[in-house]
Amino acid sequence: DTGVSQDPRHKITKRGQNVTFRCDPISEHNRLYWYRQTLGQGPEFLTYFQNEAQLEKSRLLSDRFSAERPKGSFSTLEIQRTEQGDSAMYLCASSYALGVEKLFFGSGTQLSVL
Amino acid sequence: DQQVKQNSPSLSVQEGRISILNCDYTNSMFDYFLWYKKYPAEGPTFLISISSIKDKNEDGRFTVFLNKSAKHLSLHIVPSQPGDSAVYFCAAPRNSGGSNYKLTFGKGTLLTVNP
Repeated sequence: DTGVSQDPRHKITKRGQNVTFRCDPISEHNRLYWYRQTLGQGPEFLTYFQNEAQLEKSRLLSDRFSAERPKGSFSTLEIQRTEQGDSAMYLCASSYALGVEKLFFGSGTQLSVL
Repeated sequence: DQQVKQNSPSLSVQEGRISILNCDYTNSMFDYFLWYKKYPAEGPTFLISISSIKDKNEDGRFTVFLNKSAKHLSLHIVPSQPGDSAVYFCAAPRNSGGSNYKLTFGKGTLLTVNP
């Protein structure tokens, strides 16, 4: 068990560019979540997968955002045409669906849009 | 709409003393609460939780108290250690029954424990 892994740790991009982040959950976890944290705020829920199915998306997830989890393993979060307001820490978490769950978070990808 | 509120952005205590971190919530449907700890450059890690059927849960140096009538919970750390210095988040799942996939977090409180 190596924990939740996220790549890259940091990403600097210019406004208008597309970026993609990857998350590898804990291997036996079937639930995967994306959260976003901006400075001075707590993490905010973006989307949630159970196995390969994306079951819920927050209204925070605009049309420029897309998340996938092919084969129910790793997940990618893509942001198209980035805007400065997208600058944030993007956190991935996973959990095992048995009763009361506790999320295990990765270290996050810090995105800076210039 | 900030349904989970941590009104103290920071707290500083001396090593060995008690740290008390507070959290208020507005949604009376919340029935389960969690505390997460976050070090710089790391993701939040689960610390302790409490169900609304209890008013206290203890795990080593960490105790969480829940006052449902006041919609208030607090995290006590006794004795505080320098390694406890971190940001502490209070969180509650939006769905009842303990399924916490959609957590609502407070803004966090930065705890600094001075040697």
